[in-house]
Amino acid sequence: DAEITQSPRHKITETGRQVTLACHQTWNHNNMFWYRQDLGHGLRLIHYSYGVQDTNKGEVSDGYSVSRSNTEDLPLTLESAASSQTSVYFCASSESGRASETQYFGPGTRLLVL
Amino acid sequence: QQQVKQSPQSLIVQKGGISIINCAYENTAFDYFPWYQQFPGKGPALLIAIRPDVSEKKEGRFTISFNKSAKQFSLHIMDSQPGDSATYFCAASMSGGGADGLTFGKGTHLIIQP
Repeated sequence: DAEITQSPRHKITETGRQVTLACHQTWNHNNMFWYRQDLGHGLRLIHYSYGVQDTNKGEVSDGYSVSRSNTEDLPLTLESAASSQTSVYFCASSESGRASETQYFGPGTRLLVL
Repeated sequence: QQQVKQSPQSLIVQKGGISIINCAYENTAFDYFPWYQQFPGKGPALLIAIRPDVSEKKEGRFTISFNKSAKQFSLHIMDSQPGDSATYFCAASMSGGGADGLTFGKGTHLIIQP
């Protein structure tokens, strides 16, 4: 079955370290998204991509970067982790265009920055 | 600026009752309004969605009511069951929600008491 996976599921790191969270989908979806979820804030969009070599900033992109070298993967990098980036991170994907609007979410990565 | 306001933050309903969660939006360019359901430790999953050309959409026990002039939409869960206990997020987007990210409300923690 097609799916979207994230790794690691849990991560503890120290302030200032670079961290990369992986996201892999097997639906062959062109669109991929990264959100963070914080209590009292819901989910907020970090970055998104329409396809290979395309990346766009979302609402809370400062301190984060993404790259899209193939259809299946959109890794999220925290350049220099800060305590404010402690959060649960969700990756999502969707088909192109308006024909299918559903975003399918991965299981999440819980990140703690000490 | 919070573009989608969701209420209440938490809700307790007796089994068999009606659960009602409300959302209001500000951006009149939004044209797609989904509701996502999230269980603890899982990613959000699409529950039901509506476009502004209809005032109501029903799928089983779940109904979205949409009021374009008031810029409000709500989720009604009829005959609420303990298995409906979860966090519910309303969301909104432009261009169908496929290519662009979703703007989420802050979520409602719903508890259905047996």
